[in-house]
Amino acid sequence: AQSVAQPEDQVNVAEGNPLTVKCTYSVSGNPYLFWYVQYPNRGLQFLLKYITGDNLVKGSYGFEAEFNKSQTSFHLKKPSALVSDSALYFCAVRDNNNNDMRFGAGTRLTVKP
Amino acid sequence: KAGVTQTPRYLIKTRGQQVTLSCSPISGHRSVSWYQQTPGQGLQFLFEYFSETQRNKGNFPGRFSGRQFSNSRSEMNVSTLELGDSALYLCASSLVWGPNTGELFFGEGSRLTVL
Repeated sequence: AQSVAQPEDQVNVAEGNPLTVKCTYSVSGNPYLFWYVQYPNRGLQFLLKYITGDNLVKGSYGFEAEFNKSQTSFHLKKPSALVSDSALYFCAVRDNNNNDMRFGAGTRLTVKP
Repeated sequence: KAGVTQTPRYLIKTRGQQVTLSCSPISGHRSVSWYQQTPGQGLQFLFEYFSETQRNKGNFPGRFSGRQFSNSRSEMNVSTLELGDSALYLCASSLVWGPNTGELFFGEGSRLTVL
């Protein structure tokens, strides 16, 4: 079965610094990978996805993620963090066998001024 | 275009009662998924429906059930509520179902508190 691991419960960065939120996955076959963001008392908002093609994927709000097949990773990155990026971030994976989308436990990102 | 609509947004129940949550997907979307979100367990997959058929089911007891109607709207029901069922229940829709489904679009959730 497909699964996702987000090894860090919490990531703290200073405003203006680059940020990375880590994600590794396990799936049989080709992975379909996603990042979502959740603000307090809200649903999840889609940020970006990797289906096929270029390993570097660009998404909303200046976020990007790099797919690394050999390391089975899909880390979320942003060159310059904003205070407003503070939120809960989820990585998700779906395989190509009609299985459901599975989410990681989430990483709380705090960007300090 | 209206997003995914979940009702009710908040509800309080007591142990032993049952609850029904409703989800209206984005117009034209035919697949609906349900997730339970709790602080300790994160996002746990409940069910996935497409064309009124349950396509996938998570590891939850039989007290949790769902269905999808011909207009793609979906409901989930939890019977004999337990304290541990307190959670944010999230519904998500997508245009189709299968490996090329793409991203899910989430509603704001229904927050259930069981006393």
